[in-house]
Amino acid sequence: EAGVTQFPSHSVIEKGQTVTLRCDPISGHDNLYWYRRVMGKEIKFLLHFVKESKQDESGMPNNRFLAERTGGTYSTLKVQPAELEDSGVYFCASSQEAVSRANVLTFGAGSRLTVL
Amino acid sequence: AQSVTQLDSQVPVFEEAPVELRCNYSSSVSVYLFWYVQYPNQGLQLLLKYLSGSTLVKGINGFEAEFNKSQTSFHLRKPSVHISDTAEYFCAVRKGGSEKLVFGKGTKLTVNP
Repeated sequence: EAGVTQFPSHSVIEKGQTVTLRCDPISGHDNLYWYRRVMGKEIKFLLHFVKESKQDESGMPNNRFLAERTGGTYSTLKVQPAELEDSGVYFCASSQEAVSRANVLTFGAGSRLTVL
Repeated sequence: AQSVTQLDSQVPVFEEAPVELRCNYSSSVSVYLFWYVQYPNQGLQLLLKYLSGSTLVKGINGFEAEFNKSQTSFHLRKPSVHISDTAEYFCAVRKGGSEKLVFGKGTKLTVNP
């Protein structure tokens, strides 16, 4: 089975520009999560989708970040306008059941964002 | 709020030596504990998890961890490491009823020949 796919693997943009990260979860996985690791810090939760619905977006840093999952398949995370502190690695993960029930998450390799 | 402390940011060891990567978490009534590993250019991979039952948990690649409730610790161990174990290791905790994993800062394990 194909894993969780994220692209681009690395994006370098200038402050003020827009970037869109994409995540393709494992087919059939209704639950999709975004996490972020800022340099030297912990990996932190951003948000959780169940199909196309946002279940919890309490980890989104501010309104420059917009996540969507139209049709309940792939998800995008847009940062507009990007700031220096947005640099980091953005991880996507998916699971068939909610983590609170199954405790199984499959992570992608991450998208590294560098804002200059 | 839940927090996870990984006391060592980098651990260098020689091949075939034993290793222990330390993890402490803030106390909570019910928690579920995890260790993930990230090899270069790959995603986070689950090594092992503690949900309930025996406090000694065995995972993949010969790793094991022991849940110690009184010390709020979940240290990861391997009796003999290989070069291929070089990676970054993350301890994570999930509070009962929550969907969120709370991660530590990670420990980079480097196995030298």
